[in-house]
Amino acid sequence: DAGVIQSPRHEVTEMGQEVTLRCKPISGHDYLFWYRQTMMRGLELLIYFNNNVPIDDSGMPEDRFSAKMPNASFSTLKIQPSEPRDSAVYFCASRLGQGVDTQYFGPGTRLTVL
Amino acid sequence: AQSVTQLGSHVSVSEGALVLLRCNYSSSVPPYLFWYVQYPNQGLQLLLKYTSAATLVKGINGFEAEFKKSETSFHLTKPSAHMSDAAEYFCAVSDGGGSNYKLTFGKGTLLTVNP
Repeated sequence: DAGVIQSPRHEVTEMGQEVTLRCKPISGHDYLFWYRQTMMRGLELLIYFNNNVPIDDSGMPEDRFSAKMPNASFSTLKIQPSEPRDSAVYFCASRLGQGVDTQYFGPGTRLTVL
Repeated sequence: AQSVTQLGSHVSVSEGALVLLRCNYSSSVPPYLFWYVQYPNQGLQLLLKYTSAATLVKGINGFEAEFKKSETSFHLTKPSAHMSDAAEYFCAVSDGGGSNYKLTFGKGTLLTVNP
């Protein structure tokens, strides 16, 4: 299996622009998670989906952030408009929801907002 | 609510020395506990996990961790450090047995291995 795939790996944008991060989970996994990692706050869960349905978005920082999962093999995290404080590494992870199974992480997208 | 505290944001050891990375957790229910490793510019990779079976858990790359309920701890150890072990290590807790499959991560411990 190719693992969790994220694109782009690096994104540099200017404040106010829309940013879309993409994730393809491992085939067959029914949970998908979006995390943000910063030096100050560490690794934070933003939102997670089960069977393409958002279950808990309490970690989404503001209305500027939105996430969708239109099908089992694709999810997006959108920031509109972006701000410099959104600069971070964003990770997507997936898992198979049987018992306590492992979350598998993608390589991350490093976002820089100028 | 669950929480994880990793004692020491940075640990430095010599090659061949014992590695000990500390993790204490707080959970209102029996927890599931995890250690993940993150190499530079990569995603997190599972090292090992505790799921209420044996309290001493062996993982990849020679790492192991022991679950101690009385101490609410899940420290990670390796008898002899290699240069390739240099990375950041994260302890995480999950609500065991419930429908909440969220992981709560600690702040991480950066391990440096000196030649």
